Amino acid sequence: GAGVSQSPRYKVAKRGQDVALRCDPISGHVSLFWYQQALGQGPEFLTYFQNEAQLDKSGLPSDRFFAERPEGSVSTLKIQRTQQEDSAVYLCASSLVEGGNSPLHFGNGTRLTVT
Amino acid sequence: AQSVAQPEDQVNVAEGNPLTVKCTYSVSGNPYLFWYVQYPNRGLQFLLKYITGDNLVKGSYGFEAEFNKSQTSFHLKKPSALVSDSALYFCAGYYYGGSQGNLIFGKGTKLSVKP
Repeated sequence: GAGVSQSPRYKVAKRGQDVALRCDPISGHVSLFWYQQALGQGPEFLTYFQNEAQLDKSGLPSDRFFAERPEGSVSTLKIQRTQQEDSAVYLCASSLVEGGNSPLHFGNGTRLTVT
Repeated sequence: AQSVAQPEDQVNVAEGNPLTVKCTYSVSGNPYLFWYVQYPNRGLQFLLKYITGDNLVKGSYGFEAEFNKSQTSFHLKKPSALVSDSALYFCAGYYYGGSQGNLIFGKGTKLSVKP
C-alpha cells in the first residue's frame, strides 16, 4: 500500500472489554513498532517487531497488552480488560530496515477511548 | 538516563520570520537524532535526521537542524516560516546500543505561525 494503515480509526470501549487494533505496514517493511500517545504527550514506545519476531516488548505497560505479527506483515495490538488509563492514540510505524535508527513511517493512529 | 527534552510547549512566530524549535538530549553515547511533524489527527511524518558528519542537517519542506554536541542540542530551524508550518513538532533520539527499537520522543512543541 501507499502508507501504513491502521484500523479502526476510532474505538470506544467500555471498561473491562477487550479490544484489538490492527496495523498494515508498508509492504516489504521489516521493522514494525507500536507507540502509545497520551493527550498532549509524545509517543511512548510499546513494542518492536523485526519481521515476525517480537524483539522488544519492554514498553508494554502491563500483561493486559499483547502484540503479534504472525506472518511478518500485519500486526495486531490487543488490550484485555481495558481500563480508563488505556485511553490514548495508538500509533503503528514501520521501517524498511532493521532497528529504530532509520526514518519511521507512521499510520494515522487508532484513538481508543475507554468509558 | 536517556532522554529528549523540548523545553517549549508552544512557539509563536509571524509568517516570513525565522523559526526555531528547541531540543536537547541527555549525554549517553552517540545518539541518532530525528525531527518529526504531526498534523491534527494524523500520524507523525519524518522531517530530518542526524547520524554523523555535518552538524547542519537539511530536511523536508525547507527545515534544517543543527547538532551541537557541546550543548547537547538539536534545534529545528527554518529561515522563513509559513502558515502551513503550523503543527506539532517532535524531537526524538535513538541511542546506539540501547534497547533495540526504542526511539525516545520529546513531549512535543506546538508551532503556531500567524499571517
